[in-house]
Amino acid sequence: ILNVEQSPQSLHVQEGDSTNFTCSFPSSNFYALHWYRWETAKSPEALFVMTLNGDEKKKGRISATLNTKEGYSYLYIKGSQPEDSATYLCALNQAGTALIFGKGTTLSVSS
Amino acid sequence: SQTIHQWPATLVQPVGSPLSLECTVEGTSNPNLYWYRQAAGRGLQLLFYSVGIGQISSEVPQNLSASRPQDRQFILSSKKLLLSDSGFYLCAWSEGLGTGELFFGEGSRLTVL
Repeated sequence: ILNVEQSPQSLHVQEGDSTNFTCSFPSSNFYALHWYRWETAKSPEALFVMTLNGDEKKKGRISATLNTKEGYSYLYIKGSQPEDSATYLCALNQAGTALIFGKGTTLSVSS
Repeated sequence: SQTIHQWPATLVQPVGSPLSLECTVEGTSNPNLYWYRQAAGRGLQLLFYSVGIGQISSEVPQNLSASRPQDRQFILSSKKLLLSDSGFYLCAWSEGLGTGELFFGEGSRLTVL
């Protein structure tokens, strides 16, 4: 059974704090690693799709890195804002398969 | 532009009753289609995916089934619901099975009593 692990399970920070989450996955047959943001009462939306070892992607205050050899990805949020409150999901695609999601990290940002 | 819709949004069903959730995609051809479920306290679990009409891959053997009668229509069914079928069901589509990002529907909340 393919296992995608995310940590921490939940996180509470103050507005302005920077934070990061971890996604770990088996490195064999790697094809792509996705990050999604899932806000309450909405559908998950893609943040990043990364395919190459060493990839770094950035969207505003959010960035992600990828290490396919050791099987992990980090998601960073700089200067957290209340609107960043959401569950952040990572998902692994191995060659020829559909995406398998981790359980997510739920972030709560207080103003 | 592409859109995805699923319905119904909310469903309360007794144990042993049938289920049908429907999902349609507009604005694209031959999409890959998916059904995911989030049960209480758990992450998104892949149930079924389809790369073409009549082609269904099942990830989790259970009392659910999926069908793709048309290119942009994906249906999740059950003949007899169990309590454990309760959860939030999401339909999604992508252009590729690999690097293509998923676009999700609005979700369907199923409560089995």
